[in-house]
Amino acid sequence: GIQVEQSPPDLILQEGANSTLRCNFSDSVNNLQWFHQNPWGQLINLFYIPSGTKQNGRLSATTVATERYSLLYISSSQTTDSGVYFCVGSSNTGKLIFGQGTTLQVKP
Amino acid sequence: DAGVTQSPTHLIKTRGQQVTLRCSPKSGHDTVSWYQQALGQGPQFIFQYYEEEERQRGNFPDRFSGHQFPNYSSELNVNALLLGDSALYLCASSLGQIFGYTFGSGTRLTVV
Repeated sequence: GIQVEQSPPDLILQEGANSTLRCNFSDSVNNLQWFHQNPWGQLINLFYIPSGTKQNGRLSATTVATERYSLLYISSSQTTDSGVYFCVGSSNTGKLIFGQGTTLQVKP
Repeated sequence: DAGVTQSPTHLIKTRGQQVTLRCSPKSGHDTVSWYQQALGQGPQFIFQYYEEEERQRGNFPDRFSGHQFPNYSSELNVNALLLGDSALYLCASSLGQIFGYTFGSGTRLTVV
């Protein structure tokens, strides 16, 4: 079946620290994306990254499609980075499959 | 350019009642998908509407139904509410069924 697994489930960082979030996904998952959900529930798309590497400011993501994993890097973390990070794949019909998420807390 | 708008933001209902949630898609989008997010979980796909028809459905009972209007806005209806229906309900819109999803801020439903 379609599976998206994330690790770690929870992460606590001191402001300024770096972190790496990992996502493993099954063969039937396409179009890998990373979303951030803020404490108020808003989901924001960070990266659409079916393969390769992309960077946006302090965030970057790498997907190795042949090995079915993706990594999200957060550098110089800030308190505003707190929230839940979801790795999301899509089925071939466009249905989004969310992982369980990584809950990140950045302490000042 | 307005994003996805959902209403109401919060709602409290009693078991057995019925509820209707509303979603206005982002300008230019024609597809609306609904997701249920229980506390501490990732969102789960309920169904997707395109061209005013339900195109695909997740593993949810028939108590969950929906509608899409000619202006692409959508409603999610839940009948015979259960305590377990308490969740954040998210609407996502896109152009076509595959890419470019934009999410609304959700409706937080509490069933008591």
